Amino acid sequence: KNQVEQSPQSLIILEGKNCTLQCNYTVSPFSNLRWYKQDTGRGPVSLTIMTFSENTKSNGRYTATLDADTKQSSLHITASQLSDSASYICVVRATDSWGKLQFGAGTQVVVTP
Amino acid sequence: DADVTQTPRNRITKTGKRIMLECSQTKGHDRMYWYRQDPGLGLRLIYYSFDVKDINKGEISDGYSVSRQAQAKFSLSLESAIPNQTALYFCATSDKREPYEQYFGPGTRLTVT
Repeated sequence: KNQVEQSPQSLIILEGKNCTLQCNYTVSPFSNLRWYKQDTGRGPVSLTIMTFSENTKSNGRYTATLDADTKQSSLHITASQLSDSASYICVVRATDSWGKLQFGAGTQVVVTP
Repeated sequence: DADVTQTPRNRITKTGKRIMLECSQTKGHDRMYWYRQDPGLGLRLIYYSFDVKDINKGEISDGYSVSRQAQAKFSLSLESAIPNQTALYFCATSDKREPYEQYFGPGTRLTVT
């Protein structure tokens, strides 16, 4: 069973609207959680990294939250743009690993005009 | 993505053929990784290398081999390609210090017929 589960698998939103993506993980002991954006035909690019002590982090119109107690994270996209159409991947690292990452399957976001 | 390059970007080959995918990086990182991505699944680690003399198997190394020719070059080989190796392959690099941020190449789409 994957240690990082994301929901929904996909969603379609209208340009200008907001959306929230969810990530639940069981990776333990926890070191940090990242959100990556992967455009079609490209490699993943990091949006945010959060450690245990951080519960919110923003990168422009992207805001990630982390609840380490419930092992949940969310990524909120504000005022979506067509360029936000991509797959968003939640990635978790454990403290006892050398940097090995556990990847979620991603949420495919499609922004329509 | 320009810091990590992969060749070829697309390849179609037949069952039983030997294939090599190449990765080069200009980030000066010691650590390099090969992943594969399948629809509906998270990225899975095939092999990783912490330096030229240190190569390790990941979670799905069967059917694959690697060569670390230099700090900047890490190649992945499929000795005898089979159809279930059809996937998107990514190379990544990282620093050896926290938070071990990984930088991904643009990917190679491999189809085995």
